[in-house]
Amino acid sequence: GAGVSQSPSNKVTEKGKDVELRCDPISGHTALYWYRQSLGQGLEFLIYFQGNSAPDKSGLPSDRFSAERTGGSVSTLTIQRTQQEDSAVYLCASSLDRGRGLQDTQYFGPGTRLTVL
Amino acid sequence: AQTVTQSQPEMSVQEAETVTLSCTYDTSENNYYLFWYKQPPSRQMILVIRQEAYKQQNATENRFSVNFQKAAKSFSLKISDSQLGDTAMYFCAFMKHGIDGGYNKLIFGAGTRLAVHP
Repeated sequence: GAGVSQSPSNKVTEKGKDVELRCDPISGHTALYWYRQSLGQGLEFLIYFQGNSAPDKSGLPSDRFSAERTGGSVSTLTIQRTQQEDSAVYLCASSLDRGRGLQDTQYFGPGTRLTVL
Repeated sequence: AQTVTQSQPEMSVQEAETVTLSCTYDTSENNYYLFWYKQPPSRQMILVIRQEAYKQQNATENRFSVNFQKAAKSFSLKISDSQLGDTAMYFCAFMKHGIDGGYNKLIFGAGTRLAVHP
C-alpha cells in the first residue's frame, strides 16, 4: 500500500518568510510524528498527534513552530519567520496505535529539505 | 531522560563480509523498544529491525541480527554478507513503552555512516 508522503520534497525560502510542510500518513494510522534532522545529525523529535488527544508539543524548539492535523489524517507543520538555523530535513512518520500499551513501528516519509537563505 | 549513543561515526566493510554497528543507551525504564533504521542517500528512513526489551531472544531479519544485552544497555546490529545496497546511515533508536496508547516518540542516536566496498 501507499507509504507516508510529504510535500514539497525541497523548499528554499528567504529568512523571515513563513513555510508550510505537509505530511500525508499511511491510511488508517492514528499516530503521526514530526522530526527534524539537521545536517549531519540524528533526528530530533518535534511533535506528535494521536487520534483526538491533545498533541505532544514538547519537542517544538520555539513558538515560531506549530503543527495541526486536520480530520485525523493530513498534518501541516508551519514555521513562521524562518531563520537560517531552521534549515534541515523535516521528516514525518506515522504508526498504528494498537492500544493497551502496545507499540507499533513508525514508518517514515521521504522528508522535506528546507533551506533558509 | 533517555539517551542513545552510537560511538562509530563511520564504518566500512568489503562486500560479502560481516560488520557490527554499536549502540548503547541509557534509561531507567524497564519496558521499551529498540530499533535500527537505515537512511540511504534518498533520505527515506527504512526500518531494519526492532527488539522488544521484554524478549530475551535477539531479533533477526534475514542478513540483519542484533545482540541485545539489557543489563549492559547495549544493542548492536550485525550485518552479514554485506551488499553494496547496504551503504547508508544507520540510526539506533529507543522508544519508551506507552502507558495509555501504542505510541511514543523515538529517541535517536547520531548515526553511523556505513560504506560497503566492492
